[in-house]
Amino acid sequence: GQQVMQIPQYQHVQEGEDFTTYCNSSTTLSNIQWYKQRPGGHPVFLIQLVKSGEVKKQKRLTFQFGEAKKNSSLHITATQTTDVGTYFCAGPLTSYDKVIFGPGTSLSVIP
Amino acid sequence: EPEVTQTPSHQVTQMGQEVILRCVPISNHLYFYWYRQILGQKVEFLVSFYNNEISEKSEIFDDQFSVERPDGSNFTLKIRSTKLEDSAMYFCASRQGGYTFGSGTRLTVV
Repeated sequence: GQQVMQIPQYQHVQEGEDFTTYCNSSTTLSNIQWYKQRPGGHPVFLIQLVKSGEVKKQKRLTFQFGEAKKNSSLHITATQTTDVGTYFCAGPLTSYDKVIFGPGTSLSVIP
Repeated sequence: EPEVTQTPSHQVTQMGQEVILRCVPISNHLYFYWYRQILGQKVEFLVSFYNNEISEKSEIFDDQFSVERPDGSNFTLKIRSTKLEDSAMYFCASRQGGYTFGSGTRLTVV
């Protein structure tokens, strides 16, 4: 079945450093979604990428969808303590399919 | 910002008891989902619901589980006879593009 993998599992950075998490799917995805979950909280939708090679920015966050629509990345520039949490990528096979979540990358930011 | 509302926020139940977890999805969304997250693990798909019927379910969603949309606004997940391993956070979500998740129900089976 479809699998979604993420690396790294954990990342500890000094405040102000950059952070990147990588997502890979075993199958081509119709879109890729990214979610952030704060400790004790619920997943919060960040963004959806649909087109092959698409790049989107949200302030210090840059999201990229690979050309083959099987991989994606999230890059945070100059991390802040408010960036702490687990970042999940998730993707459906088709537009109407359930999303399968990756295992997440847990980000810690040391002030 | 529209929200998905889940109640209760925390439920403690004895093994073998039935529990009903409730959700109010966003009103104009058409697709509804239940996911669960065992502590420290990833978010796992349980079931999707569209047009008043189950569209897909995972292997986790066995005969002990059922979903209903009894009155056009609520969306419920019932676990008939809870087991210890059912202890998890249960998230309801509705979708229009990206998913909007509720804040979850923490189910503890003792």
